[in-house]
Amino acid sequence: AAGVIQSPRHLIKEKRETATLKCYPIPRHDTVYWYQQGPGQDPQFLISFYEKMQSDKGSIPDRFSAQQFSDYHSELNMSSLELGDSALYFCASSLGTSGGRTQYFGPGTRLTVL
Amino acid sequence: AQKVTQAQTEISVVEKEDVTLDCVYETRDTTYYLFWYKQPPSGELVFLIRRNSFDEQNEISGRYSWNFQKSTSSFNFTITASQVVDSAVYFCALSEANNYGQNFVFGPGTRLSVLP
Repeated sequence: AAGVIQSPRHLIKEKRETATLKCYPIPRHDTVYWYQQGPGQDPQFLISFYEKMQSDKGSIPDRFSAQQFSDYHSELNMSSLELGDSALYFCASSLGTSGGRTQYFGPGTRLTVL
Repeated sequence: AQKVTQAQTEISVVEKEDVTLDCVYETRDTTYYLFWYKQPPSGELVFLIRRNSFDEQNEISGRYSWNFQKSTSSFNFTITASQVVDSAVYFCALSEANNYGQNFVFGPGTRLSVLP
């Protein structure tokens, strides 16, 4: 079965640079979520989209923005990168956005900021 | 506010031992959902189980079993006859039904090491 696809899998950037992470949800899934996982931490919710509209927002820095496109893929844009942004970034998708939907996670993008 | 606690930071067992991972949650909602995910060393998050607050039936899937007790707000996970491949970080997560952004609140995770 098709899974969530994230690209790139690894990304190395310098401080103050920008980065764009991409997420392709499972086919027919209409909801996308972004999470950030620091070393030894649990995943922290950043933002979610349902039918191309932002549905919820968590602890996403103002330097980050995201959107969901007409084909349901999503991109997380990160600007003015800081050392503390180094983390594993997960995208997850679900069918529907009502409570209790199972989120299926992609393999993650490991971002390293030097 | 919703919260998930996994008091066991790390557990080490020898292969073939049984092990139980604890999960305690807090929520004010009467309708909510609980999940377990596995994160092996390769890093991906693998879905294991979903349980809603109205279904307190225990579940068994192969060597895995889950014990849901609303009275103690716990959703514990037991691996029977553990194997080295079970070594991973296990996360318990909570989602409230009226949260239409439907983000999860994860517990801090329990790192399980199964030694040969």
